[in-house]
Amino acid sequence: SQTIHQWPATLVQPVGSPLSLECTVEGTSNPNLYWYRQAAGRGLQLLFYSVGIGQISSEVPQNLSASRPQDRQFILSSKKLLLSDSGFYLCAWTLGLAGDTQYFGPGTRLTVL
Amino acid sequence: RKEVEQDPGPFNVPEGATVAFNCTYSNSASQSFFWYRQDCRKEPKLLMSVYSSGNEDGRFTAQLNRASQYISLLIRDSKLSDSATYLCVVGLSMRFGAGTRLTVKP
Repeated sequence: SQTIHQWPATLVQPVGSPLSLECTVEGTSNPNLYWYRQAAGRGLQLLFYSVGIGQISSEVPQNLSASRPQDRQFILSSKKLLLSDSGFYLCAWTLGLAGDTQYFGPGTRLTVL
Repeated sequence: RKEVEQDPGPFNVPEGATVAFNCTYSNSASQSFFWYRQDCRKEPKLLMSVYSSGNEDGRFTAQLNRASQYISLLIRDSKLSDSATYLCVVGLSMRFGAGTRLTVKP
């Protein structure tokens, strides 16, 4: 069966510090991968999605970036965090781009102070 | 207009009540729709897909109205354990609604 991992589970970082969040999927090949952010009490905002290694589409221009160095690995990064980057970061995967069920990882709760 | 909009909520209902949520979408080309459930501080989990003809899973019924571009979720005989935030997602654009919070009270 497929599983999706995210780490770390929680993170507290100062403003201006760098960020690296990792997501890995097991039990499937060539998944489509997604990064979402959920601010407190808000809905999910799609940040990036990837249909293959090295292929990244950005949905919202901001100080975040994403990379996919391996088929089942998706990384979210920032060079300098802002207070507004605080939130719940969720990684998800599907086998098809449109119309397939998304499965979410457990998420990383980021607090920027 | 947002791509996906949901009833703002919150919905506070007694056990046993029937409650319905709506979710409107703007892209008429959308082909797939889902309802997810999200418990506090947890990741969303698939509740059910929404088929063109409507579908039912136990106490939950999902329907699609293409003409008016909305989907609905009906929960019958509400349980305390149904308390959660319900998110709709439009598959083509992978856009989530902001969610509707449901609290079922004894």
